[in-house]
Amino acid sequence: AQTVTQSQPEMSVQEAETVTLSCTYDTSESDYYLFWYKQPPSRQMILVIRQEAYKQQNATENRFSVNFQKAAKSFSLKISDSQLGDAAMYFCACRSGSARQLTFGSGTQLTVLP
Amino acid sequence: DAMVIQNPRYQVTQFGKPVTLSCSQTLNHNVMYWYQQKSSQAPKLLFHYYDKDFNNEADTPDNFQSRRPNTSFCFLDIRSPGLGDAAMYLCATSGSLGGPSYNEQFFGPGTRLTVL
Repeated sequence: AQTVTQSQPEMSVQEAETVTLSCTYDTSESDYYLFWYKQPPSRQMILVIRQEAYKQQNATENRFSVNFQKAAKSFSLKISDSQLGDAAMYFCACRSGSARQLTFGSGTQLTVLP
Repeated sequence: DAMVIQNPRYQVTQFGKPVTLSCSQTLNHNVMYWYQQKSSQAPKLLFHYYDKDFNNEADTPDNFQSRRPNTSFCFLDIRSPGLGDAAMYLCATSGSLGGPSYNEQFFGPGTRLTVL
């Protein structure tokens, strides 16, 4: 069984500043994938960034990057140059290589202050 | 654009009155999922289909059923909705094992169910 923990129910950041959202996970699998999903208010969930566990290099997508610490089972999301449109609920998720299901964390509500 | 479509976006039903939510996809993905998401909580997987192979989560109540008549469509049936079933229901898809879209789930906009 997998568990995903997001210890920050809410975070806020000033526009144009940088914010880091925390996530820890636990899995007994050696092959797994980690994700950050964004769910804006009343809008659909979209994938922000993905990390394969076998890759040592941290994934980056434009202003979004991760800090993947495999030994510590930590997978944090850094948002640089925050924009008002980044305001959303962010979910960290894990999928083991043998499973189709995602295990989600409880989410972090990000507010971007103008 | 290839996408996941859910209809209706908002559904109101009465306590105990059966309701069906629908999901369609133009991605030609093998796997379709149904999640229940209550306010400010993580999505909770109810079940999923791999092609026609139905996979129920152990803690999904019998009140929830699903049908997948073809690759494109999947339905969620709630036989006797209770007040506790009021939630957002999310449909998602992913591709087949080994394919380029296997490792990502694509979500629809959700259907918000209200039970009166």
